[in-house]
Amino acid sequence: EAQVTQNPRYLITVTGKKLTVTCSQNMNHEYMSWYRQDPGLGLRQIYYSMNVEVTDKGDVPEGYKVSRKEKRNFPLILESPSPNQTSLYFCASSPYYSNQPQHFGDGTRLSIL
Amino acid sequence: AQTVTQSQPEMSVQEAETVTLSCTYDTSESDYYLFWYKQPPSRQMILVIRQEAYKQQNATENRFSVNFQKAAKSFSLKISDSQLGDAAMYFCAYRSGRSQGNLIFGKGTKLSVKP
Repeated sequence: EAQVTQNPRYLITVTGKKLTVTCSQNMNHEYMSWYRQDPGLGLRQIYYSMNVEVTDKGDVPEGYKVSRKEKRNFPLILESPSPNQTSLYFCASSPYYSNQPQHFGDGTRLSIL
Repeated sequence: AQTVTQSQPEMSVQEAETVTLSCTYDTSESDYYLFWYKQPPSRQMILVIRQEAYKQQNATENRFSVNFQKAAKSFSLKISDSQLGDAAMYFCAYRSGRSQGNLIFGKGTKLSVKP
């Protein structure tokens, strides 16, 4: 089954404790992206990757890191999480061409205390 | 920079009736793609329908159709014969034909369906 898998689905942690949200896709997609969703703001892009070892900032990259060492994986790293990073996070992937829709993971609910 | 605006934070429709969700966008590009995504309470992001800017014909997927007005930069979603399962957040999204992949979302419209 074609899918984007995010882990964990839920996480409650404390300020300053490094965490990683994993994202994996099995569709051999070149493009992957991370979004955060906040009430009243819709989804905003954090980082994206066009292919292995190619990443770039989205609209709200501050406080986040990513890496793309393998085509299927695109982890999101919060090295020193803060309460303003409490949000719902989505990973998405698509083929290279922009006419193709993005496939989304099921989301990760992060709470930073 | 491109922007997407959904002017209706909340909408309500009676079951079996028709409802239209509004979306406008701002761009100077001629090559782009537009999407509607549905987010039910399970919070999954589900593609409802998409439209290529170069196509004049409005896209249709079963009970879902769009009214794409390129000159007006408008992309509304019509849901016919509304069902209880249509209750969700709906997001309009824009994707440039030049930059590979970056989706720009509106803030969403919460649709309620009354039995």
